[in-house]
Formats: sequence, C-alpha cells, structure tokens
Amino acid sequence: NAGVTQTPKFQVLKTGQSMTLQCAQDMNHNSMYWYRQDPGMGLRLIYYSASEGTTDKGEVPNGYNVSRLNKREFSLRLESAAPSQTSVYFCASSERITVGETQYFGPGTRLLVL
Amino acid sequence: GQQLNQSPQSMFIQEGEDVSMNCTSSSIFNTWLWYKQDPGEGPVLLIALYKAGELTSNGRLTAQFGITRKDSFLNISASIPSDVGIYFCAGLSGTASKLTFGTGTRLQVTL
Repeated sequence: NAGVTQTPKFQVLKTGQSMTLQCAQDMNHNSMYWYRQDPGMGLRLIYYSASEGTTDKGEVPNGYNVSRLNKREFSLRLESAAPSQTSVYFCASSERITVGETQYFGPGTRLLVL
Repeated sequence: GQQLNQSPQSMFIQEGEDVSMNCTSSSIFNTWLWYKQDPGEGPVLLIALYKAGELTSNGRLTAQFGITRKDSFLNISASIPSDVGIYFCAGLSGTASKLTFGTGTRLQVTL
C-alpha cells in the first residue's frame, strides 16, 4: 500500500515548454486534488476531482489543466510553463468516512521553470 | 483566496518542553486537520477533528476543535528532536472538499 505517489520528483523546464505531472493513489479514494506550495505559504488548491469523470477549478487554476484518467490516477498538465509556476506541487486524495473527511498527500514534485 | 491565521509563525524550544500552536478563522469549518511537513516531503496527517469541542490525542500530540468552529489548537508534549518541521492546520467546509490551509508554524527543537 504505497498511498499517494507522484512522478517526477524533480523537473526543470524552460519557459514555454509543456509537461504533465502524474499522480496515483491505491487507497480506492473517490476524490483527488492538486495543490501548489510556495515559500512562506500554505498549500493552495489548483484543481480537484470529486469523483472519476469530474474535475473542478480550485483557487489558482490559471495555466493548468487536469485529467482524471481513472479512479486511481489524476494528472496535472502545464501547457506553456511560466517562471511563476515554479513551485512544489502536491497531489492528494481523500476518503469520506461517517464523521467527516481526511486528505492524504503525496511526496511532491519540485518544478523549476527558467 | 482565504488562508487561516496560524500562530506562532516559528518557535525555538528546548527538548522536553511543551509546545502549543493555534489556528483561527473568520469562517466556520466542519473539519480541522493538523499536518506535519518535513523538508522535501509532503504533509503527513497528524490528527483529524470532526466535531466542535472535540479533543483528540495521538501519542504526545493533542488537538482540539474550537467550540465556535472557527479555531483549533495543537499541543505537543515533551518535545523531541524529531518533532522539528512545519506544522499546518487545515480547515474543511461545505461539501466541496476544499481544504483551506494555515501558513504554517516552523518548529525548531534544540538539545
């Protein structure tokens, strides 16, 4: 049981290049999320998927697209990377239990856009 | 976007001391979650609180869901060096499953 896994761990891009960040979870969770974390700030939600086949914008969606490939996988795509997208990206998944909900995070992808 | 007010921003304590940190919000939350993040790692869930007034412990950690549903605190007793890291609170409201994160408390433990 690996939990939430992310690839790659590190990436350097040039401005204008594209890339896809991959995320997978093996906990059979319905909901998945993409966050970014910038220095001195908490995590900010980019996009989320409440269930397979649905996606919705979060707080900072501009410049990103997502795909919920199946129940396990949720990818984040940067079509034309910009230096402002230099950040650490975290994927999360959540389970809803009778009393509430809990989110579990992956180890992160560190992205540098030059 | 909204962020929770988390304090203190940083703490330097000696091994064996107790630690207390808190989060406040102008909005009501249905769930409070406390996470710890080590350098280069993702946040790891420490404690989840689902009910106003709830007090929950996890080893040396104790957290409470404020009765007004607008605040929460985390206590760490008898700190040890491996407690070093950044602690984040996060609140969940409504049915959209969107977490709002605090800005973090950086904890340093000296021997």
